[in-house]
Amino acid sequence: KAGVTQTPRYLIKTRGQQVTLSCSPISGHRSVSWYQQTPGQGLQFLFEYFSETQRNKGNFPGRFSGRQFSNSRSEMNVSTLELGDSALYLCASSLANGQGDTEAFFGQGTRLTVV
Amino acid sequence: AQSVAQPEDQVNVAEGNPLTVKCTYSVSGNPYLFWYVQYPNRGLQFLLKYITGDNLVKGSYGFEAEFNKSQTSFHLKKPSALVSDSALYFCAVRVPFYNTDKLIFGTGTRLQVFP
Repeated sequence: KAGVTQTPRYLIKTRGQQVTLSCSPISGHRSVSWYQQTPGQGLQFLFEYFSETQRNKGNFPGRFSGRQFSNSRSEMNVSTLELGDSALYLCASSLANGQGDTEAFFGQGTRLTVV
Repeated sequence: AQSVAQPEDQVNVAEGNPLTVKCTYSVSGNPYLFWYVQYPNRGLQFLLKYITGDNLVKGSYGFEAEFNKSQTSFHLKKPSALVSDSALYFCAVRVPFYNTDKLIFGTGTRLQVFP
């Protein structure tokens, strides 16, 4: 069974540009969450999608957005990049059985560097 | 506010000795608790979880964790450490019944096992 796939693995962008990251969840998983990992802030929740709807959002500016497609694949977009957006972006998928008792499976992440 | 604390930034242990990585939480209700491990330049790997039942849960790679409701703790343990256990460990909680799979993470503890 394939795991969570994130593309690309590495990305270098210039300040002011925008970027789109992609995540393909495990087959059958309907919930996709995104996290930002930085040395200073640790793992911060960005947002969660379920059945193409955002059902939870973290405390990030509106420059961070996402969406989920009918096949559960998800993308996140960051516009007007800032140096502080440099981070490892992790995607996680869950079975989302409504009980909350299933573990999340993480992709290997996309390392974004803003210069 | 809901939070998870990992009081030790780093834990050092000699190979063959027992190890403990500490985690406490401040969450309303009865949360679900998880441990994840992260190796360099990789995503997070699920180790174990506590949902309900026996306070001692066993997980992957010989790890186990003890849930203590009165102390709101969920410490990760292993009877005999291996050099290959050296990695970054994250404790996480999920509040059930909030219609979300969002995880709240601790800041992480770096485990260093010396030969």
